[in-house]
Amino acid sequence: AQKITQTQPGMFVQEKEAVTLDCTYDTSDQSYGLFWYKQPSSGEMIFLIYQGSYDEQNATEGRYSLNFQKARKSANLVISASQLGDSAMYFCACGGFTGGGNKLTFGTGTQLKVEL
Amino acid sequence: GAGVSQSPRYKVTKRGQDVTLRCDPISSHATLYWYQQALGQGPEFLTYFNYEAQPDKSGLPSDRFSAERPEGSISTLTIQRTEQRDSAMYRCASSLAEADTQYFGPGTRLTVL
Repeated sequence: AQKITQTQPGMFVQEKEAVTLDCTYDTSDQSYGLFWYKQPSSGEMIFLIYQGSYDEQNATEGRYSLNFQKARKSANLVISASQLGDSAMYFCACGGFTGGGNKLTFGTGTQLKVEL
Repeated sequence: GAGVSQSPRYKVTKRGQDVTLRCDPISSHATLYWYQQALGQGPEFLTYFNYEAQPDKSGLPSDRFSAERPEGSISTLTIQRTEQRDSAMYRCASSLAEADTQYFGPGTRLTVL
């Protein structure tokens, strides 16, 4: 079983600045994955980035990077050079690989607003 | 197809009616998931399929909810005798295999009056 905690219901950032969205997790699985999804106001769920529990390097995808600290059970999303189009709800999720399937447990999300 | 598609996008029904939601996954994706997302919350797992097998339906809220994927491709989620508390966004996701990244469809917004 997994539990995801996102403690920032809302965040503001100025355009072109970097922002960090916090995520802590708790899992009983030895092997698991951490995911970030973006949900704009249109309602779709867009995959951003993935980190495996045994990956030694932090994941990066363009302007997104995942600051993975396994001992602290944190998987923060860093968005560099924020753009207006980054305004959206962001969900952190965890899926365990040891029990078959990869059902994701999501946090409650962080609403990010990018300002001029 | 290019992405996961779901239909209908919006469904309004009266309490007590049955509804069926459809999901068409990315072609060649073996695994398909159903989630329920209440307003202001993250999605919650309902059930998943690996091809046509349904190994886990632990998230289905009651026996009024059922899902199938008879040919290992398109899946349907059926809610019988709908109740107002069933109102939510129902999301489908697919992945190449069980441990792979899930790609979500646009969702079906269900409103039960």
